[in-house]
Amino acid sequence: EIVLTQSPGTLSLSPGERVTLSCRASQSITNSYLAWYQQKPGQAPRLVIYAASSRATGIPDRFSGSGSGTDFTLTVSRLEPEDFAVYYCQQYGSSVLTFGGGTKVEIK
Amino acid sequence: EVQLVESGGGLVQPGGSLRLSCTASGFTFSNYWMHWVRQAPGKGLVWVSRIKIDGSYTTYADSVKGRFTISRDNAKNTLFLQMNSLRAEDTAIYYCASGDSGYTYYWGQGTLVTVSS
Repeated sequence: EIVLTQSPGTLSLSPGERVTLSCRASQSITNSYLAWYQQKPGQAPRLVIYAASSRATGIPDRFSGSGSGTDFTLTVSRLEPEDFAVYYCQQYGSSVLTFGGGTKVEIK
Repeated sequence: EVQLVESGGGLVQPGGSLRLSCTASGFTFSNYWMHWVRQAPGKGLVWVSRIKIDGSYTTYADSVKGRFTISRDNAKNTLFLQMNSLRAEDTAIYYCASGDSGYTYYWGQGTLVTVSS
């Protein structure tokens, strides 16, 4: 199975800052089939990005995704208070889907 | 309004079985792939299984293959997960989610499964 490694584990930032999250795959992901999810405490995850760079419905344009092959990033151009959460990448390029371990973005 | 409501969780002994259900409303259930994803308390997300729109194709995580079975009843807008030979490490909140073959955009609130003696 494809292993996804997210870094860093935790980021402490202030509202208004720019943040870039990394997701690295153990092997190339077919067709850049990579998604990003946001999860807040006590809530179910919410789709943010699919196909590496396509924003899901209702996601503000301060969120952007990029990457291909084994290296992908999620960028939030200016953090809003509601953006502080845990972010997970997920690949769906193989028959067995996998998630990364998550990156927590916390308020500094 | 789209709703996915999981049920069937609870406390079960190691080696036991449990059947989870997920009832969908507010969208055309038979048009979407369905997935199960779990999350151990305080841990990350783990994909468990998925099933194609018509139920003809399923895949599983290596950790549950041979023990768990996903199925669906499109006439009743319901998704199932039959879990056998349960282990302590299967303890988690189990979410059902709908979407594409790979990614998901509607999620339920989850049902807790605890495997313990």
